Amino acid sequence: DQQVKQNSPSLSVQEGRISILNCDYTNSMFDYFLWYKKYPAEGPTFLISISSIKDKNEDGRFTVFLNKSAKHLSLHIVPSQPGDSAVYFCAARVYSGAGSYQLTFGKGTKLSVIP
Amino acid sequence: KAGVTQTPRYLIKTRGQQVTLSCSPISGHRSVSWYQQTPGQGLQFLFEYFSETQRNKGNFPGRFSGRQFSNSRSEMNVSTLELGDSALYLCASSGGTGQSNEKLFFGSGTQLSVL
Repeated sequence: DQQVKQNSPSLSVQEGRISILNCDYTNSMFDYFLWYKKYPAEGPTFLISISSIKDKNEDGRFTVFLNKSAKHLSLHIVPSQPGDSAVYFCAARVYSGAGSYQLTFGKGTKLSVIP
Repeated sequence: KAGVTQTPRYLIKTRGQQVTLSCSPISGHRSVSWYQQTPGQGLQFLFEYFSETQRNKGNFPGRFSGRQFSNSRSEMNVSTLELGDSALYLCASSGGTGQSNEKLFFGSGTQLSVL
């Protein structure tokens, strides 16, 4: 049972345009959502996050939107740059007891920004 | 500040063997989590250690085990290797306090190939 889904395995966007990456989840107990970016041969790096009590968070060219009623979040990158080409993972956090939080990751979306 | 360090970077083993992977977290971080990444499967949670105790565990067989030392360094062991264990194994560290803005910092991973 996949609790975090990224339904688009890949996405191609022209440089300068907007990239929109989508993520759906099923568990209502998730309290925090994060996006990670991963280049080949490197570990994922944190990009941006949003609390479940908010509906939008911005950080420079990156904005994450959360629609709790639809259990959907999206990452917007404007304008897209060739250096943004990477695999993007959506992750959701849930409290799992004993002071521990567990992250559940989607399968990732490979973004290609075409110069 | 040094990042999360994982050794070795690459490993080739044969079926039935066992393997030990090592992870040194960011200085001051007390929580270490392990994830398995296989093609098309995203990142799957293995377990988390905090102050030398396993605090959380994912849905993996008992062949997968780990431990954490007093300096927060962690090791992961896989016994009786199977072909399906071939994957990128990622270690991540955090403060472990569970605060809302806490982030996971990942190492570059150990690429394990089982022949």
